Amino acid sequence: GIQVEQSPPDLILQEGANSTLRCNFSDSVNNLQWFHQNPWGQLINLFYIPSGTKQNGRLSATTVATERYSLLYISSSQTTDSGVYFCAVDSYGGSQGNLIFGKGTKLSVKP
Amino acid sequence: GEEVAQTPKHLVRGEGQKAKLYCAPIKGHSYVFWYQQVLKNEFKFLISFQNENVFDETGMPKERFSAKCLPNSPCSLEIQATKLEDSAVYFCASSPNTGELFFGEGSRLTVL
Repeated sequence: GIQVEQSPPDLILQEGANSTLRCNFSDSVNNLQWFHQNPWGQLINLFYIPSGTKQNGRLSATTVATERYSLLYISSSQTTDSGVYFCAVDSYGGSQGNLIFGKGTKLSVKP
Repeated sequence: GEEVAQTPKHLVRGEGQKAKLYCAPIKGHSYVFWYQQVLKNEFKFLISFQNENVFDETGMPKERFSAKCLPNSPCSLEIQATKLEDSAVYFCASSPNTGELFFGEGSRLTVL
């Protein structure tokens, strides 16, 4: 089945710093989503981005489907950005909506 | 509603007892998905529905797990005879198609 790898596994930032999180996947995908799981366990949709670039405030994401990776950019980080960021895909030809999650990037933003 | 509503938020069961979780999808969404998060970063797809029909059940441990989505009722995920290894957070998600999924806040099941 499709493999999803996220890097780095852990990231510590000072408030105000910028960061880039990466998601590599091993096969063509129908869907790709980025989520933020906050320290309370809530899973928050960030982007639905099987291809192209999107921006939402301080966050933006780019997926290059032909090269099988996606990047999540966080600018001017805040302590509320702390948590785990997950990339999830469902593979082209696989069951739609059956998302395969990466293991996540744990982000800690220090004041 | 405007968001996926899951109940209960927390559930504690003794080993061997039954556990039942509920999910109300976003109004107008015809697809419902159940996922299990074990430990902190491992998600497992369990089952999906298109309206009241099973869409994909390849992730379901069929011996003790069952799920339903009936008209005009919340969807449910039931675990008969819970085991310690069933302790996890169970997430429900809904979608208007099989594109973007919208997740609920999860139900934490603790089996003692």
